[in-house]
Amino acid sequence: KQEVTQIPAALSVPEGENLVLNCSFTDSAIYNLQWFRQDPGKGLTSLLLIQSSQREQTSGRLNASLDKSSGRSTLYIAASQPGDSATYLCAVRRYGMGGSEKLVFGKGTKLTVNP
Amino acid sequence: EAGVTQSPTHLIKTRGQQATLRCSPISGHTSVYWYQQALGLGLQFLLWYDEGEERNRGNFPPRFSGRQFPNYSSELNVNALELEDSALYLCASSLYKNTGELFFGEGSRLTVL
Repeated sequence: KQEVTQIPAALSVPEGENLVLNCSFTDSAIYNLQWFRQDPGKGLTSLLLIQSSQREQTSGRLNASLDKSSGRSTLYIAASQPGDSATYLCAVRRYGMGGSEKLVFGKGTKLTVNP
Repeated sequence: EAGVTQSPTHLIKTRGQQATLRCSPISGHTSVYWYQQALGLGLQFLLWYDEGEERNRGNFPPRFSGRQFPNYSSELNVNALELEDSALYLCASSLYKNTGELFFGEGSRLTVL
C-alpha cells in the first residue's frame, strides 16, 4: 500500500528565504508525482508534474526533484514571498489495476511566509 | 481556456437528504475524478470516470454514486446524508489516464446539519 508523507506539517519563514518542502513515498512503482498548492477553502492548483523517468522539473521560482529509488521528492521555493503562503501537497500516481485512480496524496505542508 | 468548473459552490443539507454535485472537466479531458476533503483527513479518492464509465471507486459506501455524461461532465450524488459527509468535494480532470497531469476545480462545500 502506497503511503505518502510530508514533513514538516507546518513551516513559517521570513520573506525572501529559500526553502525546501519534503515528500516521501513507500512504493517506488509510480507513474509520476505531482505537486499542488491549496489556499484555504479552495481547490488545488497544479504546480509541477514529474514523470517517473524525469529527475526534476522547474517552473519560475519552483523546482521539484524526484528520486524514485529512495522514495523522495523535494519542492524548492526560491526567494519566498507572502503570496506563497498556502498548503503544499504532493501526490503520487502509482501502478495498479485501473492505473490512474491510484493517486495518493500526502497531508500537506502548511507554509507561512512572513513579510 | 476554461478550467474545471464545479457547482454549486456551497450546499447546505440536513441529515437524510440527498445532495447532487456537478463537475465540468477541461475541454478535451475524458477522465473525471472525485475526491472528498474532510477537515483534518486529507484528500480521499471517491470515484473515477472515463469515457462515460465508472472505472474505480474508493472506500466509500454505495450511497456515494455518480455518473459521467456523453459530454464528459459528471455528477456526484450522495444519498441519506450523514453529518460526517460534511466536506469539500473536489473534482479533477485529466487528459491522459495514467500519466496525465490532474487539474482540479475550486470544489463544492457540503454542510450537513
